[in-house]
Amino acid sequence: GENVEQHPSTLSVQEGDSAVIKCTYSDSASNYFPWYKQELGKRPQLIIDIRSNVGEKKDQRIAVTLNKTAKHFSLHITETQPEDSAVYFCAAGYTDKLIFGTGTRLQVFP
Amino acid sequence: NAGVTQTPKFQVLKTGQSMTLQCAQDMNHNSMYWYRQDPGMGLRLIYYSASEGTTDKGEVPNGYNVSRLNKREFSLRLESAAPSQTSVYFCASSEAVEAPDQPQHFGDGTRLSIL
Repeated sequence: GENVEQHPSTLSVQEGDSAVIKCTYSDSASNYFPWYKQELGKRPQLIIDIRSNVGEKKDQRIAVTLNKTAKHFSLHITETQPEDSAVYFCAAGYTDKLIFGTGTRLQVFP
Repeated sequence: NAGVTQTPKFQVLKTGQSMTLQCAQDMNHNSMYWYRQDPGMGLRLIYYSASEGTTDKGEVPNGYNVSRLNKREFSLRLESAAPSQTSVYFCASSEAVEAPDQPQHFGDGTRLSIL
């Protein structure tokens, strides 16, 4: 069935280091892959998304890569800062809805 | 623009009580969604409406009903609340029509506790 797996569930990095979060999906027909950031007590907010006709997309310190053959996509955050600390969710589009991963709690230590 | 507005922000119910969570969007979006968020389980889809006049079940629909009142409004009803429905509920909307290829915009959430 429809499934999105996300790893790791928690990630701790030192300020200035890079962070990588990985997701795999089950339906090869999926063609839209957004990433959301959720700060404590707040709503999820879109930070970047990628569509299946693109292999990589960058926006300042964040980038997403997509490997359709392997059915996985990743979020890369470079030069991490304390304000990057949050829960990050990946998602994959299925027919007319999104299926979300279970989230990664990123902690950036000064 | 307010985006997606949810009411109420907090609610405490007793087991067996009923209530309706309200959601409205002012972005002229076609699709609207209701999720619940529990610790360690991410966002799980309860119901969604891909266009005005249609609703469909998501991953966890049991114990809930929805109404797409018009293009702007999508409500979620708990007929007989149970402690297992204690959660944070998020409403979202999207421009997408019959294909999830557009971002979803979320409301601030409703924190619901059932005693």
